[in-house]
Amino acid sequence: EAGVAQSPRYKIIEKRQSVAFWCNPISGHATLYWYQQILGQGPKLLIQFQNNGVVDDSQLPKDRFSAERLKGVDSTLKIQPAKLEDSAVYLCASSFGGGAPRDEQFFGPGTRLTVL
Amino acid sequence: AQSVTQLDSQVPVFEEAPVELRCNYSSSVSVYLFWYVQYPNQGLQLLLKYLSGSTLVKGINGFEAEFNKSQTSFHLRKPSVHISDTAEYFCAVTKTSYDKVIFGPGTSLSVIP
Repeated sequence: EAGVAQSPRYKIIEKRQSVAFWCNPISGHATLYWYQQILGQGPKLLIQFQNNGVVDDSQLPKDRFSAERLKGVDSTLKIQPAKLEDSAVYLCASSFGGGAPRDEQFFGPGTRLTVL
Repeated sequence: AQSVTQLDSQVPVFEEAPVELRCNYSSSVSVYLFWYVQYPNQGLQLLLKYLSGSTLVKGINGFEAEFNKSQTSFHLRKPSVHISDTAEYFCAVTKTSYDKVIFGPGTSLSVIP
């Protein structure tokens, strides 16, 4: 089966610009996650969707980050305006079930964002 | 709040030698534990997970890990490493009741030919 798809793979922008990342989860997976992975650190959950509803966005900087999952399939994460500290790899993951802690998450290759 | 400590940021090891990557967690409640591997320019892939039952968990690629509740540890081991095992390894924990998965900072394993 096809894995989690993400685009673009790399993005370089100036600070204060806006950027958007796209994710297409594995077909049939109800739960979708966006993680931020800063160099030298483990991934940190930004937002979790179940179908098209938000389950957890407690660590999403809502003044500049937004995410949506229309129709419960693919998702877009946006940053506006970007700051230098947003430089990171943004990982999308999906899982089959209802987002239970025991569910295996399948990760995409990530989008590497560099903010200059 | 939960946290995960991976004591070694980098582990160099010769090919065919054994390796142990250490992971300790802090949590006062029941947890699930995971090890993920990340190859260069790729996403994370699940190696193994502990949900319940036997404390010795076997995963893919010959890796295994042992859950030690008294020491709050979940160390990853492989008896003989291969060049292809060179990657970043992340330990992760979550409460058995709903909660987000918390990842450790990662350990970079370098296998030397």
